[in-house]
Amino acid sequence: AQSVTQPDIHITVSEGASLELRCNYSYGATPYLFWYVQSPGQGLQLLLKYFSGDTLVQGIKGFEAEFKRSQSSFNLRKPSVHWSDAAEYFCAVDVNSGYALNFGKGTSLLVTP
Amino acid sequence: SQTIHQWPATLVQPVGSPLSLECTVEGTSNPNLYWYRQAAGRGLQLLFYSVGIGQISSEVPQNLSASRPQDRQFILSSKKLLLSDSGFYLCAWTSGAGYTFGSGTRLTVV
Repeated sequence: AQSVTQPDIHITVSEGASLELRCNYSYGATPYLFWYVQSPGQGLQLLLKYFSGDTLVQGIKGFEAEFKRSQSSFNLRKPSVHWSDAAEYFCAVDVNSGYALNFGKGTSLLVTP
Repeated sequence: SQTIHQWPATLVQPVGSPLSLECTVEGTSNPNLYWYRQAAGRGLQLLFYSVGIGQISSEVPQNLSASRPQDRQFILSSKKLLLSDSGFYLCAWTSGAGYTFGSGTRLTVV
């Protein structure tokens, strides 16, 4: 079945430590890939997206993601986490160019002092 | 610039009451429009999408309906709310280059 998987429901990191959030997808073709962040009670903010080309994508707030076709993955990374990064992170795929986004269940990030 | 407006931000409604949530987009024409619902502890579920005026596709059979009376207006409705309709409702749009989300409506059915 077609799906987006975020294996980690919760992740806790210390401020200043590096971060990697995992995302795997299961679709026949390479979809468009997105990472969104959601602060409590807020809408979704786009961090970055991958359509084609360079597999390492730079986004806002110092985030980057790498598309690995062989692993069907699109992991989100940040070299040094700030307390303000605490939020819910969603990976999403668009398999048909504007049809709709399918979301993973999200990873909740907690940042400790 | 393109913007998306969604209201109200918060809504508390009794079971059996009607519902109307509105979403409007500015600065673009003929966008694809979407309604998503986010239940507590879950991801985002696509409810409806629309590729044009009067064109609505439903992804999940439920107590809700959607309408698109104008190009940049998308409305989510219910005739009688259920407790299970509680959640965070998000409107979104795209013209092909990515998806932009509204700020959401927190609906609590009591």
